[in-house]
Amino acid sequence: EAQVTQNPRYLITVTGKKLTVTCSQNMNHEYMSWYRQDPGLGLRQIYYSMNVEVTDKGDVPEGYKVSRKEKRNFPLILESPSPNQTSLYFCASSLSLATGSLYNSPLHFGNGTRLTVT
Amino acid sequence: LAKTTQPISMDSYEGQEVNITCSHNNIATNDYITWYQQFPSQGPRFIIQGYKTKVTNEVASLFIPADRKSSTLSLPRVSLSDTAVYYCLVGDLLNNAGNMLTFGGGTRLMVKP
Repeated sequence: EAQVTQNPRYLITVTGKKLTVTCSQNMNHEYMSWYRQDPGLGLRQIYYSMNVEVTDKGDVPEGYKVSRKEKRNFPLILESPSPNQTSLYFCASSLSLATGSLYNSPLHFGNGTRLTVT
Repeated sequence: LAKTTQPISMDSYEGQEVNITCSHNNIATNDYITWYQQFPSQGPRFIIQGYKTKVTNEVASLFIPADRKSSTLSLPRVSLSDTAVYYCLVGDLLNNAGNMLTFGGGTRLMVKP
């Protein structure tokens, strides 16, 4: 089954304790992205990656890191989490550049990771 | 980067047709328009995508005028299960490699019995 898998689904941690949220897709997509969702603010993009070893900042990259060493994985790293990073996080993937077209290449989202930083 | 504007919320009743409009005045030539549906605590789910004129699938229709500065998602005969947040997204991954795909605030649709 084609899917984007995030782990963990729920995470409670303390300020300053490094954590990683994993994201994996099995659709051979080049494009992957991380979003955070907060009440009243909709979905805001944190980082995105157009391909392996290519990453770029989104709207709200401060306090986050990502890596794209393999096509299928795009982990989100919080080196020193703070309470303002308490949020619902979504990973998404899309587009095989080899097809040459964006049409019919929507974003596929994971089920989310609810992070609480105390 | 085309910014989108949607109504914050809409109410409807079962069986009615619902039209949600998204404004994107700065849409670029290569940008596509995509709509997503999101239920609480789930990731957004693709509904429909279009470039111009009208697109229809088994779930919805998408109307895009000639100037492409807006688009309207049409949901025929909504049911209670259509209660969700609907997002309009404008962008082009292929031709703007440095572009970001940014969601607007979404429209919260409430369908009542």
